[in-house]
Amino acid sequence: EVQLVESGGGLVQPGRSLRLSCAASGFTFDDYAMHWVRQAPGKGLEWVSGISWNSGTIDYADSVKGRFTISRDSAQNSLYLQMNSLRAEDTALYYCAKGFGGELLSHCDYWGQGTLVSVSS
Amino acid sequence: SYELTQPPSVSVSPGQTASITCSGDKLGNKYACWYQQKPGQSPVLVIYQDTKRPSGIPERFSGSNSGNTATLTISGTQAMDEADYYCQAWDSSIVVFGGGTKLTVL
Repeated sequence: EVQLVESGGGLVQPGRSLRLSCAASGFTFDDYAMHWVRQAPGKGLEWVSGISWNSGTIDYADSVKGRFTISRDSAQNSLYLQMNSLRAEDTALYYCAKGFGGELLSHCDYWGQGTLVSVSS
Repeated sequence: SYELTQPPSVSVSPGQTASITCSGDKLGNKYACWYQQKPGQSPVLVIYQDTKRPSGIPERFSGSNSGNTATLTISGTQAMDEADYYCQAWDSSIVVFGGGTKLTVL
């Protein structure tokens, strides 16, 4: 059974940093692209970042480019999102999602339960 | 940047057919997929690669994609289908979501 478990969310002041983690199990982590998708309270889904199976292709939404960094660790079967210079508009539930294939350009067939990030002074 | 447009809301009577559209420039030349999200839950994939259903998704869910519009169709809509629905495609290496459609079954 595929499982994606996010952690690392919390309340943080504007301008500070936070690192999200996603522990993956139930599939061969090295074979699949992974994504972070967020959802602000009461709003729709917003893709944040994606990383291909071998980290060869990485991309970001314009809203986070230059502030967020995605990475993956095959030894730990884990996905990460380093978030710097956080802003109030980054407040959201952050989902980890598994790509259907190894490259970024696919749909997400499994989603975690999300971890909540709140940016406020 | 690429945009996908969905109607904010769609209403349907139980047992009837619901259609939710997703519009984008030359969307028919790309693959579209659809997610269902119920309150307090994570999104669930219901249609991928325009027309395919993941295992476990009822046959009443179907999809199409042509021209500038992808459509999610729910035949014989049930009360349990009431949810938010999001389309998704990609442009270059960027994943794009539609704004979402709230389906009300009444």
